Formats: sequence, C-alpha cells, structure tokens
Amino acid sequence: DAGVIQSPRHEVTEMGQEVTLRCKPISGHNSLFWYRQTMMRGLELLIYFNNNVPIDDSGMPEDRFSAKMPNASFSTLKIQPSEPRDSAVYFCASEGPGQVNTEAFFGQGTRLTVV
Amino acid sequence: AQKITQTQPGMFVQEKEAVTLDCTYDTSDPSYGLFWYKQPSSGEMIFLIYQGSYDQQNATEGRYSLNFQKARKSANLVISASQLGDSAMYFCAMRGDGITSYDKVIFGPGTSLSVIP
Repeated sequence: DAGVIQSPRHEVTEMGQEVTLRCKPISGHNSLFWYRQTMMRGLELLIYFNNNVPIDDSGMPEDRFSAKMPNASFSTLKIQPSEPRDSAVYFCASEGPGQVNTEAFFGQGTRLTVV
Repeated sequence: AQKITQTQPGMFVQEKEAVTLDCTYDTSDPSYGLFWYKQPSSGEMIFLIYQGSYDQQNATEGRYSLNFQKARKSANLVISASQLGDSAMYFCAMRGDGITSYDKVIFGPGTSLSVIP
C-alpha cells in the first residue's frame, strides 16, 4: 500500500487566495483526520471523518476553513480566503475500522506558506 | 474533555543511555488507546508503540517500552540504548472509545529529544 498520500507537498500562496489541500487515505480505512501543526500550537485536530461523514469539526478555526470527503478515497481541506496566520504544516491521517488499538497513519504533510 | 500533557519540552540523553519521556492524560472513557509517535526533522509522523487501557502488560516494541500506570493516568515512553537517530520530537496521543467520546486521536504538545554523542 502506498500509504496516505497528500498533495501538494508544498504550497506558497498570496494572502486572500483560495488554497485546496488534498488527501487520499489508505484503502479500507474508514476514519480520516486533518491536523494542523505549528510551533505555537502543536498538532491540532481540525476535523474528523468517519465513513465519509464529518463527526467532529470543532477544531476548524473559522468559517474560512472547510473540509469535504466525497468518497472513501478522497478528502479536501479548503481555506478561502487564506491569511498569513494559516501558514503551517497540514497533515492528513487515516485509520482502520473501529478499534481503540488502531493507530493513525499519517501522510507526509503539506507545508503551506501564505505571504 | 480529553487532554494529553507532556511536561518536558526538551530532553537530552547521552548516546547508549536510556531515557524516559513523560505523558499524562485525562479522560473519562472506560476504554481508550494510548500511542507514541516520533517526528524527525524531516517532518513525517512515525508510529512507535501502542498501549490499550485494558492491557495487563506494558507494551514493548524493540527498544521502545511504555510504562503504563493507569491509576496515575500516565503512559511514559522509555527508549533504551539511545541512538543518534532517536533525536526527534516525540508525541503522546490518545484515542477515545468511540462510545463515551469520539474516537478521534488527540496529541500532546510533544517533547524534543536530543541524543548527544
């Protein structure tokens, strides 16, 4: 298996532009997480999907952020409009069905820089 | 609410020595899972070890072991015979049971480990 695949690996954009981050989870996994990592705030859980349904989006910072999972093999995280404070590494992780002992597998992350 | 605390922002250890990285957690779930991840400077997140809340024995994976004290709600990572390649950030994480709380995975703030030759 290729693991969790995120694209792009790096993104530099200007303030005000729309940014879309993409994630392909591991086949057969039914949970998907989007995390944001910054020096100041560490690893923050933004949103969590289970069976393509958003279960908990309480970590989404504001309305500029939205996430979708149209099917089991694809998810997007969109920021519109982007701001410099959105600069961070965004990780996608997926997890197999329903046991507490199933670890989350992480993608390589997308390093977003908003200038 | 679930919470993970890692009180050591940075740690140093001599090569070939053992080191303990602290992790305490808070949850009201009757069952849960505890994980440790390593993040080297390259940025990827690497799963190291898992401990279930009902596991009777402490988990071990090679040079990694987990000192699990359920009553104290602590799950410390012990790395034996440290190697230079162990220099990295280490994150403690917890997953709820999916019944009492969402079975999402939350992370602590991390501990930066530096192995000195």
